[in-house]
Amino acid sequence: QQQVKQSPQSLIVQKGGISIINCAYENTAFDYFPWYQQFPGKGPALLIAIRPDVSEKKEGRFTISFNKSAKQFSLHIMDSQPGDSATYFCAAEYTGTYKYIFGTGTRLKVLA
Amino acid sequence: NAGVTQTPKFRVLKTGQSMTLLCAQDMNHEYMYWYRQDPGMGLRLIHYSVGEGTTAKGEVPDGYNVSRLKKQNFLLGLESAAPSQTSVYFCASSTRTPPNSPLHFGNGTRLTVT
Repeated sequence: QQQVKQSPQSLIVQKGGISIINCAYENTAFDYFPWYQQFPGKGPALLIAIRPDVSEKKEGRFTISFNKSAKQFSLHIMDSQPGDSATYFCAAEYTGTYKYIFGTGTRLKVLA
Repeated sequence: NAGVTQTPKFRVLKTGQSMTLLCAQDMNHEYMYWYRQDPGMGLRLIHYSVGEGTTAKGEVPDGYNVSRLKKQNFLLGLESAAPSQTSVYFCASSTRTPPNSPLHFGNGTRLTVT
């Protein structure tokens, strides 16, 4: 049973476009929602994260939107670049446990 | 500063063989984790540890054992490998403070069981 559902599985975007990846969760025991970026042959690395008391967080071209009532959060990549081509994972942490559950990943390809 | 180092990078096993994957971190992190990554399944938590000498089960612990005898090392063992354990294994670590500290991942071990 997937506790964090991520979509789409793959995404192709033109350079300069907006990439949007969505995640949904059911367990209200989650209280921290990071996004990780993974390049081929490497481990995932933290991209941006949000806590549920905030509805949006922006870092450069990357924005997380969080809808607590709908139990959904999404990653927006503005002005997408070929260098953004990677696999993106959303995740959720069980409150106070340091135990993270990940989504199934989205493979993003940005065309030059 | 090496961060999280996984050994080996690649391994091929025959069904029934055993092996141990080694994870070492030099950041003095309290928490360590083993995940497996499979196509379409994302990252699934196998076992984790909140401190030296302690371990706990994650989402998919069956067929694996772990040990954390030293704070900097976290070992993942397969006693009798099965083809279903073919995967890429990632070790990660994090610190207790500040809260919600990010996971730091190694670069993975690609295991094939034939």
